[in-house]
Amino acid sequence: EPEVTQTPSHQVTQMGQEVILRCVPISNHLYFYWYRQILGQKVEFLVSFYNNEISEKSEIFDDQFSVERPDGSNFTLKIRSTKLEDSAMYFCASSRGEQYFGPGTRLTVT
Amino acid sequence: AQKITQTQPGMFVQEKEAVTLDCTYDTSDQSYGLFWYKQPSSGEMIFLIYQGSYDEQNATEGRYSLNFQKARKSANLVISASQLGDSAMYFCAMRGSLIQGAQKLVFGQGTRLTINP
Repeated sequence: EPEVTQTPSHQVTQMGQEVILRCVPISNHLYFYWYRQILGQKVEFLVSFYNNEISEKSEIFDDQFSVERPDGSNFTLKIRSTKLEDSAMYFCASSRGEQYFGPGTRLTVT
Repeated sequence: AQKITQTQPGMFVQEKEAVTLDCTYDTSDQSYGLFWYKQPSSGEMIFLIYQGSYDEQNATEGRYSLNFQKARKSANLVISASQLGDSAMYFCAMRGSLIQGAQKLVFGQGTRLTINP
């Protein structure tokens, strides 16, 4: 069964460093998303992406965040200068109808 | 704005019993979708079941069913014959109008379900 994959599964970085989280959505899906979940809290929407542009973004998705679909398969989330409060699980999702989530990348900023 | 409310932070049930996880929602959209996801301790989000606002019948997927009461704006998840492997966090989520393309999901706070042997 097709699935969304994410790499790495766990990323540790120092405050101020740039990180890139990678996702491979399900191949025939058209819409792509990033969500985050701070430990013990609910899942929060960051951004949606369709037809090579951002469809919607939340107030969390400020100028330090960017997304890109550099080729036909990958979908990336870049955090330019990480802060301690960026520590969270980051989920990629893709959809044609129902959204299917990847396994997540646990980002730890020290 | 859309809002999902899950009022049960934790639920404890005996194995093989049925369990109902509550979810109420608020939206001004006429067309919307409701989802349930399971998050085990390993952290991944597993899609369980979907209900469209215009679906006349309650959704079912194996041991999962969604008790959709539109007038009450509730979308409770029912798990029949619970198993130890059902112990996890469960999130209710909503998507807005289906005609607007990419649609974010709005999640509730979640309910931690523990199945006791």
